[in-house]
Amino acid sequence: SQTIHQWPATLVQPVGSPLSLECTVEGTSNPNLYWYRQAAGRGLQLLFYSVGIGQISSEVPQNLSASRPQDRQFILSSKKLLLSDSGFYLCAWSSSTGGWWSNQPQHFGDGTRLSIL
Amino acid sequence: KQEVTQIPAALSVPEGENLVLNCSFTDSAIYNLQWFRQDPGKGLTSLLLIQSSQREQTSGRLNASLDKSSGRSTLYIAASQPGDSATYLCAVSGGADGLTFGKGTHLIIQP
Repeated sequence: SQTIHQWPATLVQPVGSPLSLECTVEGTSNPNLYWYRQAAGRGLQLLFYSVGIGQISSEVPQNLSASRPQDRQFILSSKKLLLSDSGFYLCAWSSSTGGWWSNQPQHFGDGTRLSIL
Repeated sequence: KQEVTQIPAALSVPEGENLVLNCSFTDSAIYNLQWFRQDPGKGLTSLLLIQSSQREQTSGRLNASLDKSSGRSTLYIAASQPGDSATYLCAVSGGADGLTFGKGTHLIIQP
């Protein structure tokens, strides 16, 4: 069966520090991968998605970047964190069977709660 | 731009009651609609996915319906239990731009 792992679960970082959040998927190949953020009082917002190694699409302009160095690894990064980067970050995957916009459900990790001081 | 609204924002009912959660979306050009459950501080658990060509999906005590033309979906929970307490999220897929989420309905089932 497929599983998705995110770490760390909780992170407290000072303003201006770098960030690296990692997500890995097991039990499937060539998944579509996503990073979402859930800010306090707001809905989940798609940040990045990837259809393959090295392919990243950004949904909103921001202080963050994403990379996909391996098929089942998705990394969210920042060079200098801002207070507004605080939130709950969720990684998700879906099967790429049938194409990018295939009607496959998205499956989510347990998330990383990021607090910026 | 797609917008998803969930009503009510919060709901508290006694155990055993049947209840309905509502979701509406502004752009009917969707590929599918997915209902999720989120427990406090946790990730999302997928409950049901309805393809754009379908009218409803059922899983156990849960039934989700979709009226794409009117931009509405409902999640029906039968015989509610305290373990059903969670935030329920509705999300629509427009294809390449991933999922657009509502802000959720915070559900409390009173024992």
